[in-house]
Amino acid sequence: AIQMTQSPSSLSASVGDRVTITCRASQGIRNDLGWYQQKPGKAPKLLIYAASTLQSGVPSRFSGSGSGTDFTLTISSLQPEDFATYYCLQDYNSPWTFGQGTKVEIK
Amino acid sequence: QVQLVESGGGVVQPGRSLRLSCAASGFTFSSYAMHWVRQAPGKGLEWMTIISYDGSNKYYADSVQGRFTISRDNSRSTVYLQVNSLRPEDTAVYYCARERTDISSTERLDYWGQGTVVTVSS
Repeated sequence: AIQMTQSPSSLSASVGDRVTITCRASQGIRNDLGWYQQKPGKAPKLLIYAASTLQSGVPSRFSGSGSGTDFTLTISSLQPEDFATYYCLQDYNSPWTFGQGTKVEIK
Repeated sequence: QVQLVESGGGVVQPGRSLRLSCAASGFTFSSYAMHWVRQAPGKGLEWMTIISYDGSNKYYADSVQGRFTISRDNSRSTVYLQVNSLRPEDTAVYYCARERTDISSTERLDYWGQGTVVTVSS
């Protein structure tokens, strides 16, 4: 199975900060990667798919980039509602695999 | 609107079985692959299994291969997860999710249920 290594596992940031989360695949996965946001007690929510395509209704401060093995999720200006845990998920082949998650906390 | 509603969770003793259900509405269920994802308390998301739109293809994570079985009934717009030989480490929230696939074969999980809780304890 493809392993997804996500970093950092947690970070503290302030409202307005630029935040970057990375995900590295154990083998090339083209651009078959999505990013999901999860708030406590809630189901995950799709933010980005195909590495860089913004899901409908998701604010444009979220962006994704990368291809092959290295991927990045960027939040250009962190908002109060963005404090959550973020996961990458590779859909290149089965079994699909998630990264370990990145918890974004208030500084 | 698209809705996915899981049910069937509960408290169960180790070694026992459960069947989880996910009832879908608001879309043409028979046209979509479906997934199950779980999350143990305080832990990250774990992808478990997928079933193709017609039920002909299924894949499992190594951690549940042989113990869990995914199935679907397109006439009832429902996907199931049969979980056997339950272990304490199977304690988790179990989510179903719809897979959206474009013509370009771009895939993603665009709708999720609210989850059903399974607790394995004696």
